[in-house]
Amino acid sequence: AQKITQTQPGMFVQEKEAVTLDCTYDTSDQSYGLFWYKQPSSGEMIFLIYQGSYDEQNATEGRYSLNFQKARKSANLVISASQLGDSAMYFCAMREGSSNTGKLIFGQGTTLQVKP
Amino acid sequence: ETGVTQTPRHLVMGMTNKKSLKCEQHLGHNAMYWYKQSAKKPLELMFVYSLEERVENNSVPSRFSPECPNSSHLFLHLHTLQPEDSALYLCASSRRGQSYEQYFGPGTRLTVT
Repeated sequence: AQKITQTQPGMFVQEKEAVTLDCTYDTSDQSYGLFWYKQPSSGEMIFLIYQGSYDEQNATEGRYSLNFQKARKSANLVISASQLGDSAMYFCAMREGSSNTGKLIFGQGTTLQVKP
Repeated sequence: ETGVTQTPRHLVMGMTNKKSLKCEQHLGHNAMYWYKQSAKKPLELMFVYSLEERVENNSVPSRFSPECPNSSHLFLHLHTLQPEDSALYLCASSRRGQSYEQYFGPGTRLTVT
């Protein structure tokens, strides 16, 4: 069974508007971490934001915020005031607490295009 | 020096060649990872090294051979590859522990002809 699901292969957003990228996950661990990465066309994966399963508040990093709904097992990324440079592929990832190797499990990714 | 570097950035090799990919991290991390990213597929974890010991090998064919001589360097030795091995190979590093994010290098774009 897929552990990380991103159901939006592609998204469009108008510059300066907000956009939400969906991510749902599946784990039986009580302790886990959720991550979002951005991958521009250059290929490098850029870390954006982290949410721990025990964190009571939603994580925020500048224009990025993570809408964490634990009961629904969702960890959606919200980008406010979109910029042209936000056009990229976005990956949701999870690290399970039971993993002793620290490995990340990635979703399929969502391609975001920001329109001027 | 940027956090995680990878060389070469692009590589074209024949199926009978032997080549190596190099990854170096300057962040003082103690875990390193190799990922494969094929078109239209999620990132696939290949190998994990923690404190220079291989702790995970995700059913990767033996034509891929990793090496971690110290905590700052990671290699992926390639031999007799197949065309389906063409992909972007990403190296990452992190501190050990659940909440630490992984920092990625720019990747090596490999084409097997």
